[in-house]
Amino acid sequence: AQSVTQLGSHVSVSEGALVLLRCNYSSSVPPYLFWYVQYPNQGLQLLLKYTTGATLVKGINGFEAEFKKSETSFHLTKPSAHMSDAAEYFCAVSPRFGNEKLTFGTGTRLTIIP
Amino acid sequence: KAGVTQTPRYLIKTRGQQVTLSCSPISGHRSVSWYQQTPGQGLQFLFEYFSETQRNKGNFPGRFSGRQFSNSRSEMNVSTLELGDSALYLCASSLIGTGEDTQYFGPGTRLTVL
Repeated sequence: AQSVTQLGSHVSVSEGALVLLRCNYSSSVPPYLFWYVQYPNQGLQLLLKYTTGATLVKGINGFEAEFKKSETSFHLTKPSAHMSDAAEYFCAVSPRFGNEKLTFGTGTRLTIIP
Repeated sequence: KAGVTQTPRYLIKTRGQQVTLSCSPISGHRSVSWYQQTPGQGLQFLFEYFSETQRNKGNFPGRFSGRQFSNSRSEMNVSTLELGDSALYLCASSLIGTGEDTQYFGPGTRLTVL
């Protein structure tokens, strides 16, 4: 069975600083990987996803993530944090084979310090 | 294109009652999935419908059920409500529901059980 771990339930960074949100997966075969963002009282919005090909994936709002098979990781980064980035971020995986659906991490709440 | 819509947005029920939530997917999307989001358990997959058939089911009791109509609209029903059913229920649609297919989420229905 697949699983995903997000290290750090809360992360605070200063405006303009680097954002780094960590995600590690556990799966015998590298799964499809996703990052979603959730703003208060809203649903989830896809930031980016990795399916195949280039391991550095660029998403919306200046975010990017790099798939590292050797580290079973898919960390999310943004060079310069903006106040509007304050939200909850979820890493999710779905298997390349089989019928399991999206499995989500427990989420990381990002706070931006002015 | 219009996004995924969910009705109602907020709902208050009492224990023992039943509730029906509705989801209209993005036009052309045939797969609809439902998720439950709670502070304690996070985001958990309920079930997925494709072409009016339940294709996948998560680990939830039989009180949780759903259906999909020929126009891909979906409903989920929870019978004999319990306090623990209080949650944000999210619907997501995708083209065909494969693992790499992006799921687009609605804003959710917040259910409060008193």
